[in-house]
Amino acid sequence: DIQMTQSPSSLSASVGDSVTISCRASQDISYYLNWYRQKPGKAPQLLIYAGSRLQSGVPSRFSGSGSGTDFTLTISSLQPDDFATYYCQQSYNTPPITFGQGTRLEIK
Amino acid sequence: EVQLVESGGGLVQPGGSLRLSCAASGFTFSNYEMYWVRQAPGKGLEWVSYTSSGGSSIYYADSVKGRFTISRDNAKNSLYLQMNSLRAEDTAVYFCARGSSSSSIFRYYYLMDVWGQGTTLTVSS
Repeated sequence: DIQMTQSPSSLSASVGDSVTISCRASQDISYYLNWYRQKPGKAPQLLIYAGSRLQSGVPSRFSGSGSGTDFTLTISSLQPDDFATYYCQQSYNTPPITFGQGTRLEIK
Repeated sequence: EVQLVESGGGLVQPGGSLRLSCAASGFTFSNYEMYWVRQAPGKGLEWVSYTSSGGSSIYYADSVKGRFTISRDNAKNSLYLQMNSLRAEDTAVYFCARGSSSSSIFRYYYLMDVWGQGTTLTVSS
């Protein structure tokens, strides 16, 4: 099975900052990578699909890049709503579908 | 409004069974892939099961294969997860999620664009 490793596991930032979260696949997954945000006590929300495509209704401060094994999620100009946990998810050669372990973004 | 509402969670003894339901509204349910995803307390997301729009393709995580059964009733706009031989490690919040429509060019990306609020399963004696 394909393993997904996110880094860092947690990070602290301030409102207005820009942050980058990384996700590495254990083998080439092309562009089969999606990103989600999960606020505490809530369901996840799809942010980015197919590596870099912004989901409808998601603010443009979110962007995704990468292909193959290395991917990044960048959030520019952090808003209070963005302090949450972020997950990557691969869907190459499914099943299984696998998620990264999550990156917790905290307010500094 | 597009909405998914899970129900059926509760406290079950190890070895027991339970069926979760997910009621869909606001979209043409029969056109969409559907998923179950779970989250153990304080842990990350774990994919559990997938069904295609018509139910002809079904997948399971190894951790639940042979114990859980996903099904859907497109006439009732409902998704189900029958869980048997439950274990303590099945304790989690269970989310149903909508995937792509069967006609979407992105259907092979297995994205989950609408989620329910989750229902909690606790397996304990």
